[in-house]
Amino acid sequence: NAGVTQTPKFQVLKTGQSMTLQCAQDMNHNSMYWYRQDPGMGLRLIYYSASEGTTDKGEVPNGYNVSRLNKREFSLRLESAAPSQTSVYFCASSEENSNTEAFFGQGTRLTVV
Amino acid sequence: GDSVTQMEGPVTLSEEAFLTINCTYTATGYPSLFWYVQYPGEGLQLLLKATKADDKGSNKGFEATYRKETTSFHLEKGSVQVSDSAVYFCALRRNAGKSTFGDGTTLTVKP
Repeated sequence: NAGVTQTPKFQVLKTGQSMTLQCAQDMNHNSMYWYRQDPGMGLRLIYYSASEGTTDKGEVPNGYNVSRLNKREFSLRLESAAPSQTSVYFCASSEENSNTEAFFGQGTRLTVV
Repeated sequence: GDSVTQMEGPVTLSEEAFLTINCTYTATGYPSLFWYVQYPGEGLQLLLKATKADDKGSNKGFEATYRKETTSFHLEKGSVQVSDSAVYFCALRRNAGKSTFGDGTTLTVKP
């Protein structure tokens, strides 16, 4: 029952460093998402992928890139980290049917100093 | 565009008190509506959902009814427990697209 698996769980970066957050799901979902969660601001969508080979910008895409490597994996890359990117990042996946819910990973707590 | 508005928190209640968390939405068409719960240090997980008008979703003593006339999906529980302390998110989804979430409401239940 793995569901959605994110790595790493915690990360500290220095300003200007780069890193990739990994996400994999084992539920055969077409749709995958990356969100960030900041205090008092709920969940904000960074990027999403409706199917393998497609990606689209969400609400807050600046400073991020994504790759839908295959149906299972959807990675988020920070090319040059900034303190404003300190946040908790969640990956999620869902079926295409709008009656179905999203399944979330445990989150990655990122601090940029 | 679509939007979800939740009552502002935080909410603090005593054990066995009645809980209501208000949620209203704006969307064209007929979205599905969801309540998610997030426990400390974890991701969101589905609490309950309703996919058409007048449907009632229920789970673990929580209930919410899809009211199209008032565009609302208020979460209720008759008697909260300390273990219900968490952040609650209202969300909508339509047309196989991405979900729209409210800002979340933090609930603390004291013994």
